[in-house]
Amino acid sequence: GAVVSQHPSWVICKSGTSVKIECRSLDFQATTMFWYRQFPKQSLMLMATSNEGSKATYEQGVEKDKFLINHASLTLSTLTVTSAHPEDSSFYICSARQPVADTGELFFGEGSRLTVL
Amino acid sequence: GQNIDQPTEMTATEGAIVQINCTYQTSGFNGLFWYQQHAGEAPTFLSYNVLDGLEEKGRFSSFLSRSKGYSYLLLKELQMKDSASYLCAVMDSNYQLIWGAGTKLIIKP
Repeated sequence: GAVVSQHPSWVICKSGTSVKIECRSLDFQATTMFWYRQFPKQSLMLMATSNEGSKATYEQGVEKDKFLINHASLTLSTLTVTSAHPEDSSFYICSARQPVADTGELFFGEGSRLTVL
Repeated sequence: GQNIDQPTEMTATEGAIVQINCTYQTSGFNGLFWYQQHAGEAPTFLSYNVLDGLEEKGRFSSFLSRSKGYSYLLLKELQMKDSASYLCAVMDSNYQLIWGAGTKLIIKP
């Protein structure tokens, strides 16, 4: 089946540094990928929709200058958390959807747990 | 506005059956998904319903009634490993997924 791979799984960084998280669709082309954030014991919160070849669409309240999204190819989207602070510590998850003509099923990456010291 | 409602938490006994309900109000409808999420892990796909009726897949079944804006996930022969959060999500007319807050299912021996 379709697989979405996310890297790194765990990252610890110092406050003020930037962290890049990659999301790859391994066996299908994803024109759209989604980035979520999840705090402990809470549901997924959609941060932005990443569109191949164009600017990402950010949800209300998400700082686009802080969470940079690049979707340079049909199989890769990256999320960069710039100037990270401890409050940015969270579980970040990407997902990609198969073309609507198929099942339209959403596949998730393994998630990236970010800890900012 | 768009809204997905599901119970916050449920408790069931190992070997029993549990039904997790989900009601929704969205701008259009292009299918309803159920995902399972264990603590600290990403969600995994369980089921997809776009037509009314019951879809059975092993111990898990999912039901949809579009006219009522209602779905349920039925888990049979519960096992301890079924302890997880179960997320209901609806795809709206723009093919955006609207997520419920999730139902934490606790299985007791």
